[in-house]
Amino acid sequence: GIQVEQSPPDLILQEGANSTLRCNFSDSVNNLQWFHQNPWGQLINLFYIPSGTKQNGRLSATTVATERYSLLYISSSQTTDSGVYFCASNGGNYKLTFGKGTLLTVNP
Amino acid sequence: EAGVVQSPRYKIIEKKQPVAFWCNPISGHNTLYWYLQNLGQGPELLIRYENEEAVDDSQLPKDRFSAERLKGVDSTLKIQPAELGDSAVYLCASSLSLGGTQYFGPGTRLLVL
Repeated sequence: GIQVEQSPPDLILQEGANSTLRCNFSDSVNNLQWFHQNPWGQLINLFYIPSGTKQNGRLSATTVATERYSLLYISSSQTTDSGVYFCASNGGNYKLTFGKGTLLTVNP
Repeated sequence: EAGVVQSPRYKIIEKKQPVAFWCNPISGHNTLYWYLQNLGQGPELLIRYENEEAVDDSQLPKDRFSAERLKGVDSTLKIQPAELGDSAVYLCASSLSLGGTQYFGPGTRLLVL
């Protein structure tokens, strides 16, 4: 099946800093989603982005499907951005495969 | 619009006991998913339903796990008997259609003693 790798595994920022999270996937995909899992375990959908660029407030994402990677940008980070960020993608069988996540800690 | 609802939120049981989790997807969502999330890992798909039909259950340990979605709306995931290694978070998600954006419930944290 499809392989999803995320980097970095951990990231510590000061409030106000910017960051870029990367997701590499091993095969062509029909679906690419970014999620934020908050400290209480709730997975929140950030972007559905199989290709192109999208922006939502301080967050934006870009997927370059031909090169099999996606990037999540967080600008002016806040303490509430802390948590685990997951990238998930699928191939032709529509089974969504998650990466291991990036643990983000934003310090005040 | 109400999100995906799961219950219970937490469950502690002794090994060899049965346990059941319930999920009500977002209204109108035909596709329902059950995932297992171990500590420090991403969720892994257990089973996917299209309406009432289980169309992908290849990752479901069928000797002890079972699931149903009788009327194509809410769903139940059961473990019988539970083992220590089943301690994890069980997540339910739904999407409007196959391949669409998946929305997750808050999960059920299971601890097997």
